[in-house]
Amino acid sequence: RKEVEQDPGPFNVPEGATVAFNCTYSNSASQSFFWYRQDCRKEPKLLMSVYSSGNEDGRFTAQLNRASQYISLLIRDSKLSDSATYLCAVNSGEGTGYSTLTFGKGTMLLVSP
Amino acid sequence: DGGITQSPKYLFRKEGQNVTLSCEQNLNHDAMYWYRQDPGQGLRLIYYSQIVNDFQKGDIAEGYSVSREKKESFPLTVTSAQKNPTAFYLCASSTTGSLGEQYFGPGTRLTVT
Repeated sequence: RKEVEQDPGPFNVPEGATVAFNCTYSNSASQSFFWYRQDCRKEPKLLMSVYSSGNEDGRFTAQLNRASQYISLLIRDSKLSDSATYLCAVNSGEGTGYSTLTFGKGTMLLVSP
Repeated sequence: DGGITQSPKYLFRKEGQNVTLSCEQNLNHDAMYWYRQDPGQGLRLIYYSQIVNDFQKGDIAEGYSVSREKKESFPLTVTSAQKNPTAFYLCASSTTGSLGEQYFGPGTRLTVT
């Protein structure tokens, strides 16, 4: 199984700051990518899906760089409630008909007042 | 409310006992998945199933078994052969096709002593 790498952090930022995380992947055939948010002792919740060059949803922007094989997540105007672990997932099931995701270990974000 | 339910939330067992974790979804998703998460680790795929009566081993299937007798249900049995069963177990589902986003249930935290 191909790997997905993330900086574990923690990233400590003040409220209102802009923060970006990167996630590198090794499977060049992957076509779909996902960012999940996971709160402590809870299940991951889907934050964003990336199928082409990028995606934007409010304060959150995800970008895909196929040449360098990484995706990024940018959070603008950080809120205290953004504090969580952000998991990157890469679809390893291309060509199989399955959505089999390979997850990174996550990046922890701590937003302080 | 559409969603994925897992029960129980916490489960305690003695070493040497088999235990079955429940996962039910009413999202009409064809594909279902089981992952385990250990502290500070990413999610690792145990088993997955795309259709009823069919399932595939994931990366860490040893010591686990599953069944898929109904589209809505995908129970996981942790057998006594699993050497380190204490973990957070997450069930997910998705639509078919290799681009499908996966959605997670609330998880079952299993402790074996």
